Amino acid sequence: GDSVTQMEGPVTLSEEAFLTINCTYTATGYPSLFWYVQYPGEGLQLLLKATKADDKGSNKGFEATYRKETTSFHLEKGSVQVSDSAVYFCALSPSSGGGGNKLTFGTGTQLKVEL
Amino acid sequence: DTGVSQNPRHKITKRGQNVTFRCDPISEHNRLYWYRQTLGQGPEFLTYFQNEAQLEKSRLLSDRFSAERPKGSFSTLEIQRTEQGDSAMYLCASSPRDRGRVGNTEAFFGQGTRLTVV
Repeated sequence: GDSVTQMEGPVTLSEEAFLTINCTYTATGYPSLFWYVQYPGEGLQLLLKATKADDKGSNKGFEATYRKETTSFHLEKGSVQVSDSAVYFCALSPSSGGGGNKLTFGTGTQLKVEL
Repeated sequence: DTGVSQNPRHKITKRGQNVTFRCDPISEHNRLYWYRQTLGQGPEFLTYFQNEAQLEKSRLLSDRFSAERPKGSFSTLEIQRTEQGDSAMYLCASSPRDRGRVGNTEAFFGQGTRLTVV
């Protein structure tokens, strides 16, 4: 079945550091790929998405590129801020089947940004 | 507030009791999902409704679990004879119809109901 593997946390960075959170997936066909973020005390929010190979999703300075050849969707940000501290989830939605937009999530990566 | 609403936010129950959670999706969304999230893990899919029809159920959804979405509006998730292993955050999400390609629309999540079984 479908699966998502993302790097384990916690990841601790200084403000303005470069961020990479690795994500790889296993799925048939061409799934849609997502990054969701969960800030402390809040629900999951969509951060960015990409729906086909070589698409780049971007939002709030974060970027991720859908790499079909390496089945990856790594999250990057050039300069993190304290306000980026949260748990980040990589997820996929299958391109076919009856499950609507059923999401398969990775285990999440906690990011802590310090001054 | 036009987001996904879940009630209650927290529920503590004794083992063996029944509990019911409610989810009110975004009004124009025809798809509704339930997920379960345990500490340190990502959300796991439980079940999916399109309008009032329950179209898919995960193997995680044992016979003690039942979900409904009468009239295609709000949904309820009931757990009968709760066990300590049921302790988790139960998340509800909704999404609109796909636009074009299957699976590419955003799911909007509620803040969840945290269940503790003692």
